[in-house]
Amino acid sequence: DQQVKQNSPSLSVQEGRISILNCDYTNSMFDYFLWYKKYPAEGPTFLISISSIKDKNEDGRFTVFLNKSAKHLSLHIVPSQPGDSAVYFCAAYYSGNTPLVFGKGTRLSVIA
Amino acid sequence: EAGVAQSPRYKIIEKRQSVAFWCNPISGHATLYWYQQILGQGPKLLIQFQNNGVVDDSQLPKDRFSAERLKGVDSTLKIQPAKLEDSAVYLCASRRGPAAGYNEQFFGPGTRLTVL
Repeated sequence: DQQVKQNSPSLSVQEGRISILNCDYTNSMFDYFLWYKKYPAEGPTFLISISSIKDKNEDGRFTVFLNKSAKHLSLHIVPSQPGDSAVYFCAAYYSGNTPLVFGKGTRLSVIA
Repeated sequence: EAGVAQSPRYKIIEKRQSVAFWCNPISGHATLYWYQQILGQGPKLLIQFQNNGVVDDSQLPKDRFSAERLKGVDSTLKIQPAKLEDSAVYLCASRRGPAAGYNEQFFGPGTRLTVL
């Protein structure tokens, strides 16, 4: 059973426009959510996170929104840049040093 | 600060052979993880160490996979014998300790294993 779902395997966006990556989860015990970015032949790198007590967290061009009632979160990148082209993973865990659970990832292509 | 080091970067073996991967975490990081990432999937935790002790190995296929972190620093992951479905990228990650958030977890570049 997939507890963290990223239903869009890929997304293409024009440079300068907004990229929206979506993630759904089924385990209501999750209370921390993270987004990782992965370039080819590199390990994932942490991008931004949000705890369940918030509904929005912003860091520069990156904003994560959390809708707990819908068990849905999204990552907004504004404006999108060619260097943002990568695979983005949504991940979640619940407090107590529980394992991080990843989604399958969404490949973002930003076209110049 | 040096990142998480892994070797080899690539490995091709035939099924039923054995293989070992090595990981050196960031200096001072007590917690070390091995993840398996199959093509088209997200990373899946195989085993977590705290210093040289195993915290969680519930998803490690123990009939063929083993891992150790004898001195609480570097770690090795072994597969013996390998199966076709073990083809994946094996990622090592570390963080300072359980009190540090996962936002402070750093991944190595991974070892890409192909089993023929």
